[in-house]
Formats: sequence, structure tokens, C-alpha cells
Amino acid sequence: EVQLVESGGGLVQPGGSLRLSCAASGFTLSDYWMSWVRQAPGKGLEWVANIKQDGSEKSYVDSVKGRFTISRDNAKNSLYLQMNSLRAEDTAVYYCARDLYFFESWGQGTLVTVSS
Amino acid sequence: SYELTQPPSVSVSPGQTASITCSADKLGDKYASWYQQKPGQSPVLVIYQDSKRPSGIPARFSGSNSGNTATLTISGTQAMDEADYYCQAWDSSTYVVFGGGTKLTVL
Repeated sequence: EVQLVESGGGLVQPGGSLRLSCAASGFTLSDYWMSWVRQAPGKGLEWVANIKQDGSEKSYVDSVKGRFTISRDNAKNSLYLQMNSLRAEDTAVYYCARDLYFFESWGQGTLVTVSS
Repeated sequence: SYELTQPPSVSVSPGQTASITCSADKLGDKYASWYQQKPGQSPVLVIYQDSKRPSGIPARFSGSNSGNTATLTISGTQAMDEADYYCQAWDSSTYVVFGGGTKLTVL
């Protein structure tokens, strides 16, 4: 069974940093592109970033370019999102998802709250 | 940037057919996917590549995509289908894009 478990969310002050993790099991992580998708409270879904199987290609939504970095460690079956210079508008539940140009498996999400 | 437009809400009576649209320029030239999200839960893929159903998704869910509009159709809508629905496509300039979501009410 495919499982994706996010962790690392929490309360952080504006300008602060946070690193999210996504532990994958039930499949071979290195076979798949992976994405982070977020959802602000009461709002819709927004794709944040994705990364190729070997980490050689990465893409980001414009609003996080230069602040967020997606990475992966296939040996540890893990996906990461390093978030720097956080803003109030980054407050959201962050999901990791298997990316096949559509998202067929999602984690339960981890809440990031940016507030002073 | 590429944008997908959905109606904010759709209402349907139990047992009837619900149709949720997703519009964008030449959307029919791309693959559309649809997700169901119930309160407090993660999204669930219900349609991918315009009209394919993942394993475990009931046959009452179907999809189509042509011209500028993709449509999610739920036949014989049940109370359990009440949820938010999001369309999604992939564009070479914007990469992944989601629609704003449609709240389906079954009443």
C-alpha cells in the first residue's frame, strides 16, 4: 500500500524557516516525480514544487521561487521542502504527492502557520 | 499564466446527475484530472487523463474534455458525493495548475 507521511509543520514567525519531510513507503520513490501541493485555510489547492526522479530537474510556482527548495533522498525514501523567508501567505496545509502529471497518491498533510 | 475556471458551487438532488465544468483556453489539448476533497481530508483523485477512473472510484464518476471545457459528471449522485471538487491540468509554462474548486451540495 502506498503511504506518504508528511511532518515538520508548525508555527513559525515571518521571515523564519522550516523544513518539511515526506516519508514514502509501499513503492519505490526513485521511480516517481514528486510534488508538494499546499492549501491555505478555507482556500483551494495550489501546486508548490516538483522534482524529477533523480533530483536533476526541479520546478516551482513563482510565489516561492528563491525561497523554497525541494529535494529528495531516495535511499531514505524521503522528500523534503526547505522553506525560508516565510510569509503569512505561506500559511497552509502542505501535502506531498506522487506526480504523474496528475496526483494519484497524497499524504495527510502537515500544517504550517506563519504568524508573529 | 494559465488559469482554470470552475463554478464556485453546484447543487444536485440525490439520484440525479451532477455536472461540474472546468474551463480554460484550449483545455481540450491538455489532459484534465479531477480531485474530490471532503472536509478535513486529503484530496482523492477521481478522474485522470480526461476520463480514466483510478481503481476503487465508483463508475458513477466520469469525465470528458473537449474544446475549452472539461466536465466531471456524477451519475446517480449520492449524499456521500457531497464534497469540494478540483480540476487540474499541466501546462508547459505554468506547469501544474488547479481550478478554484467547486462545492457540490447534494440536497
